[in-house]
Amino acid sequence: DTGVSQDPRHKITKRGQNVTFRCDPISEHNRLYWYRQTLGQGPEFLTYFQNEAQLEKSRLLSDRFSAERPKGSFSTLEIQRTEQGDSAMYLCASSPRPTGANVLTFGAGSRLTVL
Amino acid sequence: SQQGEEDPQALSIQEGENATMNCSYKTSINNLQWYRQNSGRGLVHLILIRSNEREKHSGRLRVTLDTSKKSSSLLITASRAADTASYFCATDARSGGSNYKLTFGKGTLLTVNP
Repeated sequence: DTGVSQDPRHKITKRGQNVTFRCDPISEHNRLYWYRQTLGQGPEFLTYFQNEAQLEKSRLLSDRFSAERPKGSFSTLEIQRTEQGDSAMYLCASSPRPTGANVLTFGAGSRLTVL
Repeated sequence: SQQGEEDPQALSIQEGENATMNCSYKTSINNLQWYRQNSGRGLVHLILIRSNEREKHSGRLRVTLDTSKKSSSLLITASRAADTASYFCATDARSGGSNYKLTFGKGTLLTVNP
């Protein structure tokens, strides 16, 4: 297993277009997270899946954002009608069902630039 | 909202010196973790300290936790140029028995000059 994979690594789009990011977690991890990170800031929680169930969505996730994790494997994060304020690094992370603390393994991120 | 606040925001030192970063948080926690992020990359887990622990070591890393002050520090000894990165603390709030969500601070940018 090569860790958490994210695709694409970079996406440049025009305002108003839709974009989709994909995350492939570590195969035995049943928990999957999306975070957003802007320049000079720490990652901000967007949403969390346990298997295929989306258990929490941040209020940062407006109606233009949707995330899915069909069959509890890979996940997609779609942003509709992108705005310049959506420009950020979108980070995916996964973790196994913890017996103790919840340690996240992150992917390299998908950087979105909205022109 | 971001739970932790790292201090300083940026730190520049010479190779071989020690680097100390601090983190303060607001709510009761189960544990506190430190992560590292190289420029433009994802985060990598470094070390975890539980709420009932006061100090932990891992290689050149030393973490302390003071739950009464809601603060933690990360010490990197004998720094190397390769330690140049951003360092984030992350906490899971002791909320409803669930520990699934980590909340990150804004990070400290460490630059180690050769």
